[in-house]
Amino acid sequence: KNEVEQSPQNLTAQEGEFITINCSYSVGISALHWLQQHPGGGIVSLFMLSSGKKKHGRLIATINIQEKHSSLHITASHPRDSAVYICAVDMGAQKLVFGQGTRLTINP
Amino acid sequence: SQTIHQWPATLVQPVGSPLSLECTVEGTSNPNLYWYRQAAGRGLQLLFYSVGIGQISSEVPQNLSASRPQDRQFILSSKKLLLSDSGFYLCALTGYPNYGYTFGSGTRLTVV
Repeated sequence: KNEVEQSPQNLTAQEGEFITINCSYSVGISALHWLQQHPGGGIVSLFMLSSGKKKHGRLIATINIQEKHSSLHITASHPRDSAVYICAVDMGAQKLVFGQGTRLTINP
Repeated sequence: SQTIHQWPATLVQPVGSPLSLECTVEGTSNPNLYWYRQAAGRGLQLLFYSVGIGQISSEVPQNLSASRPQDRQFILSSKKLLLSDSGFYLCALTGYPNYGYTFGSGTRLTVV
C-alpha cells in the first residue's frame, strides 16, 4: 500500500462545478502540501497545511490529522483549473512523500 | 521570502550526452536542498538531498549525481544520459525562516 493515496486519479467536470480531490496518508506527518502541475510541467505550490483549513481565492484545502486525510476543493471551476494536482506529505527526517496526482479536466 | 530558481523549464538531450541542471535559492541560508524526479506515470521520488556544502545523500542508485558547490546552489548531473533518465526534475528546499518545503518550478527532460 502506498504511503500517500490520492483519489480520484482522473476527474473530468463541467465548468462551474464544485471539485473535490482527496488525499489519504498512512503515518503521522508534520505538514501536507498541495501542488499544481500544469500541462507544460511547471509546479506551483498551492497550500501547506498542518491543521484546519486554508483558503486562497476559489481554492480551499482542509486537513483532518486524526483521520489522516486532506481534501482540496475548487469552487466555480474553470477550464484554466485543468492540471494535475499533487498531494505531498512531510514525514520529517528529509522524507517528503508525493501522491500519484489527480488529473483534472474542466470542460467549457 | 524563500525562492528557488530552476532552469531550464524544458530540455531535450540525445542519449549519451552529459546533463547539468542547476538550482539556486534566495532568501535563506544553509537550507536543506532536494532533487526529486517524476518518471512517466509515477509520483515524484527523492533522488538526492544535501544538508550543507559538499554533503550529498543519495536515495536511489542512478545514472545521476548531485553536487553542492555553494550554500545556495545544487546541481544535478549525468556524464551520459540514458533514455530512462527522461522525466520531470524538481528542486526543493527546507530552511529558515519558512516552515515546510519550498519548490522550484521544475525541468522536463526528454532524452532522445
